[in-house]
Amino acid sequence: KAGVTQTPRYLIKTRGQQVTLSCSPISGHRSVSWYQQTPGQGLQFLFEYFSETQRNKGNFPGRFSGRQFSNSRSEMNVSTLELGDSALYLCASSPDYPETQYFGPGTRLLVL
Amino acid sequence: GQQLNQSPQSMFIQEGEDVSMNCTSSSIFNTWLWYKQEPGEGPVLLIALYKAGELTSNGRLTAQFGITRKDSFLNISASIPSDVGIYFCAGVGGATNKLIFGTGTLLAVQP
Repeated sequence: KAGVTQTPRYLIKTRGQQVTLSCSPISGHRSVSWYQQTPGQGLQFLFEYFSETQRNKGNFPGRFSGRQFSNSRSEMNVSTLELGDSALYLCASSPDYPETQYFGPGTRLLVL
Repeated sequence: GQQLNQSPQSMFIQEGEDVSMNCTSSSIFNTWLWYKQEPGEGPVLLIALYKAGELTSNGRLTAQFGITRKDSFLNISASIPSDVGIYFCAGVGGATNKLIFGTGTLLAVQP
């Protein structure tokens, strides 16, 4: 089976812009979770989607949003970017949450 | 957010040495996972543990699910340079039944 894929791998944006990241889960996996990883904060849970519904949410502001499509692919959107949003954004899929998760390679976002 | 206590934070060892790291929690967990992350990549699942007392190996890696269900250990035998990376534990359970990650152990192996 193909693994979790994320696009793009690298992104540079400026403050105030918005960004959309994409994740394709492992075939057959219906749960997709998003994480933000920074050196200071480690892996922080953003949210989890299952069957196009957000079921779990972490403690992030409303600027961070997501959605899931009927084929389980997911997108994450960050609006009004801030310098502190610079991070590695990881997507993980599993048959269901919180079962064993498999991560994608991540999208490295740099906000200038 | 909530995180597991993982130790040590970092390890600098010589090639061929054995390595031990552990993760502890104040809550009971039902599943323990160990991941390895290399620079610029996402975490890769190494070992999954689902039962208290379970001991599972994956090549030179061995992990155990603590009998109290509040801790887990990962051992790497005869380390090699490609073992370099950050090792994360993760647990499912606690009050929220969410997947919680440890703070990571940075492993450096000198040839």
